[in-house]
Amino acid sequence: TQLLEQSPQFLSIQEGENLTVYCNSSSVFSSLQWYRQEPGEGPVLLVTVVTGGEVKKLKRLTFQFGDARKDSSLHITAAQPGDTGLYLCAGSYGNKLVFGAGTILRVKS
Amino acid sequence: KAGVTQTPRYLIKTRGQQVTLSCSPISGHRSVSWYQQTPGQGLQFLFEYFSETQRNKGNFPGRFSGRQFSNSRSEMNVSTLELGDSALYLCASSYFIRTGNKDTQYFGPGTRLTVL
Repeated sequence: TQLLEQSPQFLSIQEGENLTVYCNSSSVFSSLQWYRQEPGEGPVLLVTVVTGGEVKKLKRLTFQFGDARKDSSLHITAAQPGDTGLYLCAGSYGNKLVFGAGTILRVKS
Repeated sequence: KAGVTQTPRYLIKTRGQQVTLSCSPISGHRSVSWYQQTPGQGLQFLFEYFSETQRNKGNFPGRFSGRQFSNSRSEMNVSTLELGDSALYLCASSYFIRTGNKDTQYFGPGTRLTVL
C-alpha cells in the first residue's frame, strides 16, 4: 500500500495547456517535497512545502500544501516541452522520506 | 561545487552474484541515503547513514547492506542477486540527517543494475 497516492500516473498534453498533479495521503506529513526526474538522471528538488495551506510559486509552477498537511498539488500553467519528465512527491514521515509512484508528464509541441 | 557522484553508472550481473555500488556525496554533506527505483514500486528507501552510522533502514531483506566511511563516501552491497533486484539505485546526500524535515536531499544520477 502506497503511503502517498499520486495522480494521474501518466499525462500527455499539448504545449500551452495547463495541468494539475495531485498527491494524497491519509497520513499527516511534517513537510512535502516535489521533485522532477529526467531519464538517466536522479530526481531534482523543485520545492519543499511545510505549512498547511502554503502556496509556493516557481515561475509557471504552483505548489500547494493542504490545510491538514495530508495532500498537495502541483499546477503547471502553459506547459512547455521542457516540462516533460517524471514528477514525484515525497513526504517526510517518521524521519524518512516516502515517495509517491510519480506522474509521467509528456508535453507535445 | 560538484554534485553527488555514483559509480558505476551501469552494471550487469547474473543471479547469485553480489554487487557493490559507490556514492560520493557533495563536499560537506554528512548524510547519505540510498533508494531503489523500479517502474512497479517507484522510489523506495533502503537506508540512511550519518557519521558512519546507519540511522534509518527501510523494509529490504538483509541481502541489502551498506556502510559509510569517515570521508562520508558510502557503499551499498547486494548479495545473492535476484532478478527482482534489477533497478535504478539512487544515492542522495544532505548536510544534516533529516530530523527537522527541511534538509534538501541532492540525488546522484544513479546506478542502473541489471540482473540476468
